[in-house]
Amino acid sequence: AQTVTQSQPEMSVQEAETVTLSCTYDTSESDYYLFWYKQPPSRQMILVIRQEAYKQQNATENRFSVNFQKAAKSFSLKISDSQLGDAAMYFCAYLIQGAQKLVFGQGTRLTINP
Amino acid sequence: GAVVSQHPSWVICKSGTSVKIECRSLDFQATTMFWYRQFPKQSLMLMATSNEGSKATYEQGVEKDKFLINHASLTLSTLTVTSAHPEDSSFYICSAPRAGAMYEQYFGPGTRLTVT
Repeated sequence: AQTVTQSQPEMSVQEAETVTLSCTYDTSESDYYLFWYKQPPSRQMILVIRQEAYKQQNATENRFSVNFQKAAKSFSLKISDSQLGDAAMYFCAYLIQGAQKLVFGQGTRLTINP
Repeated sequence: GAVVSQHPSWVICKSGTSVKIECRSLDFQATTMFWYRQFPKQSLMLMATSNEGSKATYEQGVEKDKFLINHASLTLSTLTVTSAHPEDSSFYICSAPRAGAMYEQYFGPGTRLTVT
């Protein structure tokens, strides 16, 4: 069964600095999607970034980028120029394509220090 | 972007009563919707997959007679918590992928259920 592991329950970073959140996953599939979602205090889930496994190029969205290492089954999120509004829970997720279900990691709570 | 709504956003009910939560895709059709449960400071746990026109598929350990799911139309799925008890108190979230684009999932804002 597919599993997603986030080993950092909490992270903190100074405003304007860079932080990397870690995620590893386990799967026997060769084609799949990975995601990072943000859940602010409002608890609305917000898609941050998506990576297709067949693409070797790492996905980027403005200040957010990923380091996708398929062989190592690693999918880390880098947030550059951290802003106060980035404070939230961040969840790494894997899409089980056949069942079309998302499997979430345990989450990392990110604090931004002013 | 696509919008998914949930109603109510917050509900309090007495132990032993039933409560219905609605999930609507406002500007797209969704043949499948997903229901999650989230405890405080924890991750999202998938409860069931709601399928339009057919029975829901429940995850292992989820009581299908307690959590009734009905996917009445291509834009509406409902979750009914029957004979609610305090341990059912939680945050319930639905998501709806666009038909034909399952990697694009849109989440509702969630419903906080408190059972007294």
